[in-house]
Amino acid sequence: QQPVQSPQAVILREGEDAVINCSSSKALYSVHWYRQKHGEAPVFLMILLKGGEQKGHEKISASFNEKKQQSSLYLTASQLSYSGTYFCGTEPTGANNLFFGTGTRLTVIP
Amino acid sequence: DTGVSQNPRHKITKRGQNVTFRCDPISEHNRLYWYRQTLGQGPEFLTYFQNEAQLEKSRLLSDRFSAERPKGSFSTLEIQRTEQGDSAMYLCASAHDGGVTPLHFGNGTRLTVT
Repeated sequence: QQPVQSPQAVILREGEDAVINCSSSKALYSVHWYRQKHGEAPVFLMILLKGGEQKGHEKISASFNEKKQQSSLYLTASQLSYSGTYFCGTEPTGANNLFFGTGTRLTVIP
Repeated sequence: DTGVSQNPRHKITKRGQNVTFRCDPISEHNRLYWYRQTLGQGPEFLTYFQNEAQLEKSRLLSDRFSAERPKGSFSTLEIQRTEQGDSAMYLCASAHDGGVTPLHFGNGTRLTVT
């Protein structure tokens, strides 16, 4: 039930954009996005519910395509503070827990 | 809101020993989760509590693992007869009940089995 994330890693220069994708084989009720910095706990970014909504948080936004069971995280005009590993957490319909992907390691360089 | 607290932060044990970890969730959170994370991987679901009831347990979890949440407050995760493959970061997360709400993670307990 683990979702698949792509790419596995990406390196950006400050100001560049990136897209991280998350795909599940299960019908999903919600998708969560978290960022984890080295040695720290994952930190919540946003939740998307089925219905194909799109959300934004400063320069980070996401979309959820429930027909395809896919979500994408968009980072625009990246900052050094965006560096970390991004995880999507998928909540299958009828489940009470989140299954996390293997993560996308994002590195932003000056 | 003091956040999710986990103790100890680090634990080194010899193979075959039993270990117990503690998680104190955010006080008003009814839901509590345990995850395990190894290097380069995402958090792997172990078990889930709604108040004091353990509602779900991963099939990947062997009988050596047990978790409790007496009185629906703090939770403990015990691993019996530890093996080297149990070495990992054990993360606890809590969430408010009522719809889809974010998980708040603790800083984890890093277990090393020698």
